[in-house]
Amino acid sequence: LAKTTQPISMDSYEGQEVNITCSHNNIATNDYITWYQQFPSQGPRFIIQGYKTKVTNEVASLFIPADRKSSTLSLPRVSLSDTAVYYCLVGGYQTGANNLFFGTGTRLTVIP
Amino acid sequence: DGGITQSPKYLFRKEGQNVTLSCEQNLNHDAMYWYRQDPGQGLRLIYYSQIVNDFQKGDIAEGYSVSREKKESFPLTVTSAQKNPTAFYLCASGIGQGAAPDTQYFGPGTRLTVL
Repeated sequence: LAKTTQPISMDSYEGQEVNITCSHNNIATNDYITWYQQFPSQGPRFIIQGYKTKVTNEVASLFIPADRKSSTLSLPRVSLSDTAVYYCLVGGYQTGANNLFFGTGTRLTVIP
Repeated sequence: DGGITQSPKYLFRKEGQNVTLSCEQNLNHDAMYWYRQDPGQGLRLIYYSQIVNDFQKGDIAEGYSVSREKKESFPLTVTSAQKNPTAFYLCASGIGQGAAPDTQYFGPGTRLTVL
């Protein structure tokens, strides 16, 4: 099971782009990279998922280099409402298991 | 509205009592999951179920039990054998198919406090 390493916390000013990097040196060939967002006292919410290169959706972009040993979640022009914990997960859906591991995540604080 | 619900939002239990947390989904998802979250920590998987009448232990199943008699429901019982049950409990559901990890849809959570 590939473990991940993320910064414990980050601060950013409103309106800036935020990049959160996740290291996953032991990522397996079949593993995907998934990011979730969690607000206090709520369940996590799916943000984005990718396998390689770049993925973009309406809320974020995910950059994955060729060696796939790290990935970067990019949040454009953050607002105060983006203050949350962001989890990087690495895993693949296998028969009989769904081996996602939620670590402690990165606590992002957006400052006015 | 489609979604996943958990009840109650807050639950208090006396030490030594069993308690059951409810989780219902109307998303027509095959897979359902239970997680535990302690303050300042990530989520830890307790049990998961990929299909009705089947479930598997996660990383911290000791002291917990589940059932999956209906597709929509996946109740979690916290038994008296669970030594430190005070925590935030999260239920999730997902399609449960494909090569990519399941996109999991989480409920609002139940905060259990043992008195």
